[in-house]
Amino acid sequence: AQKVTQAQTEISVVEKEDVTLDCVYETRDTTYYLFWYKQPPSGELVFLIRRNSFDEQNEISGRYSWNFQKSTSSFNFTITASQVVDSAVYFCALSEAPGGGNNRKLIWGLGTSLAVNP
Amino acid sequence: DAGVIQSPRHEVTEMGQEVTLRCKPISGHDYLFWYRQTMMRGLELLIYFNNNVPIDDSGMPEDRFSAKMPNASFSTLKIQPSEPRDSAVYFCASSLALRGARKGDYGYTFGSGTRLTVV
Repeated sequence: AQKVTQAQTEISVVEKEDVTLDCVYETRDTTYYLFWYKQPPSGELVFLIRRNSFDEQNEISGRYSWNFQKSTSSFNFTITASQVVDSAVYFCALSEAPGGGNNRKLIWGLGTSLAVNP
Repeated sequence: DAGVIQSPRHEVTEMGQEVTLRCKPISGHDYLFWYRQTMMRGLELLIYFNNNVPIDDSGMPEDRFSAKMPNASFSTLKIQPSEPRDSAVYFCASSLALRGARKGDYGYTFGSGTRLTVV
């Protein structure tokens, strides 16, 4: 069964601290996509990254970095030198593509609420 | 590109009334999704379309919910009759096919959502 687990419900840090949000997924398929989305207090869902299952290269974008480990079925997200504007709920999601086809459902984690305090 | 456009942003209605939510996807995207978000259940996929055809509506809670996509640039989600437990934020999203998508393609772009309150 497909599943995405974000074990951390809430995290609170002080500005400039580094913080890692965990995401563990379950899938039977060899081809899939992983996503991170940010939902700030204003409510919209903002795309952060998409990762293909066949590309395990880690990615860095400014203060954001992602660590994809197929061996542990994890796709963790790290914010370096956190800022108050990073306060939001962060969602990890999985989309399967069995046989390379077009299964389009996103399986969502329940989200991690990050509070960055000044 | 204006992104995915949803209307209205907020809707307050009385129980039993019909509610229609609207979505304009990004031009050229061939998939459209309707999601519902509540505190209790998180994000739930209600239905999705591919090239205007409903592919999976297994997430639609009951017959009171219906969705249509008459053309590539417009979709509606209708609740009739509405009930207080339908109160939630409803998101519309659109995407290209991920397979074959260019590396930089997002895949899924969400609208700003419609906050529905049924009293």
